[in-house]
Amino acid sequence: NAGVTQTPKFQVLKTGQSMTLQCAQDMNHEYMSWYRQDPGMGLRLIHYSVGAGITDQGEVPNGYNVSRSTTEDFPLRLLSAAPSQTSVYFCASRGTVSSPLHFGNGTRLTVT
Amino acid sequence: EDQVTQSPEALRLQEGESSSLNCSYTVSGLRGLFWYRQDPGKGPEFLFTLYSAGEEKEKERLKATLTKKESFLHITAPKPEDSATYLCAAPGTDSGGYQKVTFGIGTKLQVIP
Repeated sequence: NAGVTQTPKFQVLKTGQSMTLQCAQDMNHEYMSWYRQDPGMGLRLIHYSVGAGITDQGEVPNGYNVSRSTTEDFPLRLLSAAPSQTSVYFCASRGTVSSPLHFGNGTRLTVT
Repeated sequence: EDQVTQSPEALRLQEGESSSLNCSYTVSGLRGLFWYRQDPGKGPEFLFTLYSAGEEKEKERLKATLTKKESFLHITAPKPEDSATYLCAAPGTDSGGYQKVTFGIGTKLQVIP
């Protein structure tokens, strides 16, 4: 059972570079979301999707873009990386609005 | 603003020494409470959902309880493999009607043999 798969596991970027973090789930979940986790702070919501073609902003959306062309995939794009985006990024999915979130194992991103 | 506060931030126990972790919350449109376990370098792993005050859930050495203002994760006779960060999360409803989930910072538990 793959669940939620994130790639890459680690990434180092220079300031100003762009990249896409990949997320795929095989549970046919409608709801998907991206979080970042920083020391001393709880998981913070970046963007979320309630179904294919539907996305919206979370708590900390600036500097990130998302799209949802299929139920399975929900990539996160960093447009122009900044050191403040150094973090661990988690993708999560859930089947219904009241279900618990299922997380991937994260991407550790360092921006120099 | 929705808030989830966990205490203590870190806890060190001897193997077999029982204790409790606390999670207090103020979340609008609260729809239950989640507990997760997170190991280093991994994503949070779901443990329990609690929906109403007085509810209890158990899994091996862990028991989660819920009141109207807080939740406790009781760890009975812990073993070194219980060492992890335990996260509390409260699903609520934001102004747009979306079911967002607010997370606490977590309690880092270390169980010493």
